[in-house]
This record gives sequence, C-alpha cells and structure tokens, in this order.
Amino acid sequence: AQSVTQLDSHVSVSEGTPVLLRCNYSSSYSPSLFWYVQHPNKGLQLLLKYTSAATLVKGINGFEAEFKKSETSFHLTKPSAHMSDAAEYFCVVSAQTSYDKVIFGPGTSLSVIP
Amino acid sequence: DAGITQSPRYKITETGRQVTLMCHQTWSHSYMFWYRQDLGHGLRLIYYSAAADITDKGEVPDGYVVSRSKTENFPLTLESATRSQTSVYFCASRVGGTAGELFFGEGSRLTVL
Repeated sequence: AQSVTQLDSHVSVSEGTPVLLRCNYSSSYSPSLFWYVQHPNKGLQLLLKYTSAATLVKGINGFEAEFKKSETSFHLTKPSAHMSDAAEYFCVVSAQTSYDKVIFGPGTSLSVIP
Repeated sequence: DAGITQSPRYKITETGRQVTLMCHQTWSHSYMFWYRQDLGHGLRLIYYSAAADITDKGEVPDGYVVSRSKTENFPLTLESATRSQTSVYFCASRVGGTAGELFFGEGSRLTVL
C-alpha cells in the first residue's frame, strides 16, 4: 500500500527567505517521488522527480528535494522565496511496478509575503 | 497546438443530466487519467487507461463512465450528475510507466445544481 502525508496544509514565508515543504511517504515498493505545483486556475506542472538515481534532486525555478529512505521523507526546499512561488504544491508517490497507481498528497498552500 | 486540452473549461448542469468532459492529447501518450480535485482531498483518481480500449477504475469511479476508442481521446461521462460531483476535473497523460511525468490539462470546472 502507498500513502503520502504533507505535514503542513499551509505555509507562509517572507519573500527572500527559505522555503521548506514537508512530505512523508509510505510505499511497499521502491517508489518514484514527485513534486508538482499548481498555480490558481491552472493544471499541475512537474517541479522535480526522484526515480532511484541521485538522492538530491534539482528541479525548476530553484527548487530541490532530498530523498531520505531512512526517514521516508521527500521534503521540498528553496533557498529564497519569490512572489511567483505562491501556489499549491503536491507531493506524489508511485510504485515502480506494473500497477499504475499514483497517489497524491493533500497539498500544501504556499503564501509569500512581500 | 501540442499538449493536452480539456473541454469545456466551465460547465453548469442540473442534477440528473448527462455530462461529458472531453480530453484530447497530441503526444500519443499511452496512459491517460481522470482526476477530480476537491478541497481537503487533493487529487483523486477516477479512471485511467493504459492504451486504447483498456480502461480501469481508480479510487472514486462510481457515477462515472469512460471510453478510449482512440489513443488521443479519453472522454469522461457523468451519466446522471449529482451535486456531489461538483468539482474540478483534470485529465492527464503519461508516456509510459510509473516513473514518468504526468502532463495535465488546465481542468474542467463542473457545477451540478
């Protein structure tokens, strides 16, 4: 069975300060892990993904995430928040098996204060 | 234009009516998905398709019907709409296996009165 927990439903940061969005997962198989971003009234866009290569994954717009198997975590970070980062962020897990199930976390809403 | 398009973007209907949401992708991706997004639930999978003429249920399939006669199209039909089906619906596609990126349409906002 797979599941995803996003530990904060809402995060608020000041512009120029670091961003940390937390994600923990559970998977019976070697997982692929993703972060997607959704801007208001838009579809989701891939930020980055982990698929059993390097544990530190770099994505678009300065975001990165570190896969920690011992902690079953895949937290998303960015050194300096920009106003355009305000959006909803989803952590996603899928199993590297023939079963095509992809599980989305409930999302974290990021606000950036000027 | 290349990509994945959904129509209509906005739809208001009444309880009991049939509604079809269309999804079209230009990449010939094997997999296609329908999700619904509701506050407090994130995205939940309704149905998915691994190829033309192959579909399977997701997490919340009740009240929905899908078909996939052509690789590029994956319509979602609500045979008798209910108020609980008021939601934003997203179609997505993926080239192949579970390690691949999902590409999303911009969503269809459905209101059932």
